[in-house]
Amino acid sequence: SQQGEEDPQALSIQEGENATMNCSYKTSINNLQWYRQNSGRGLVHLILIRSNEREKHSGRLRVTLDTSKKSSSLLITASRAADTASYFCATPRGGSGGSNYKLTFGKGTLLTVNP
Amino acid sequence: GAGVSQSPSNKVTEKGKDVELRCDPISGHTALYWYRQSLGQGLEFLIYFQGNSAPDKSGLPSDRFSAERTGGSVSTLTIQRTQQEDSAVYLCASSLGIGSGHKNTEAFFGQGTRLTVV
Repeated sequence: SQQGEEDPQALSIQEGENATMNCSYKTSINNLQWYRQNSGRGLVHLILIRSNEREKHSGRLRVTLDTSKKSSSLLITASRAADTASYFCATPRGGSGGSNYKLTFGKGTLLTVNP
Repeated sequence: GAGVSQSPSNKVTEKGKDVELRCDPISGHTALYWYRQSLGQGLEFLIYFQGNSAPDKSGLPSDRFSAERTGGSVSTLTIQRTQQEDSAVYLCASSLGIGSGHKNTEAFFGQGTRLTVV
């Protein structure tokens, strides 16, 4: 079953507006990661938030994590046409001896930023 | 190399033929993952390697799919007797993978192999 589920599935906004994407997950996590995918090819890591963190910033990106609700949000401020892409959340699960593996992805949010 | 390299970038094959997809991970990364992504869908986990061993093969869809990794580096994903439903983008990723550090789980992806079975 899917560990992470992004919401909404698709989002269309105008340049300059903010975009918010949400992710819900089912099991306990050590960290949650957000990735970006352009044109259906390789994913690029954007940001990692640890389970003991509530908010993290990186440039125009802001990620929040609420472990009580098992949810995270990714906010992109002052969006640009170049931000058009699919955005995925991912959580590492499993592993023995404290290591984490099996990075499990949601289905993604397709963000379209119109010029 | 500097990043994860996959080859070929595109592959068109006839139904029933075997195909091999190759992945060169980042040097020093012990963990290697294969994912499959159908059009407009999320990433479907196939298999995970730690070094040369595969502790989790649970995502391989059928016994037509197999993967190996040699020398703790290059991995090949083999699909035998391809079917049309195998058409997808096959993505490889690697991560440091050692220990429990958070950064060790950050995955670096190749550009994928787009497989089309006709």
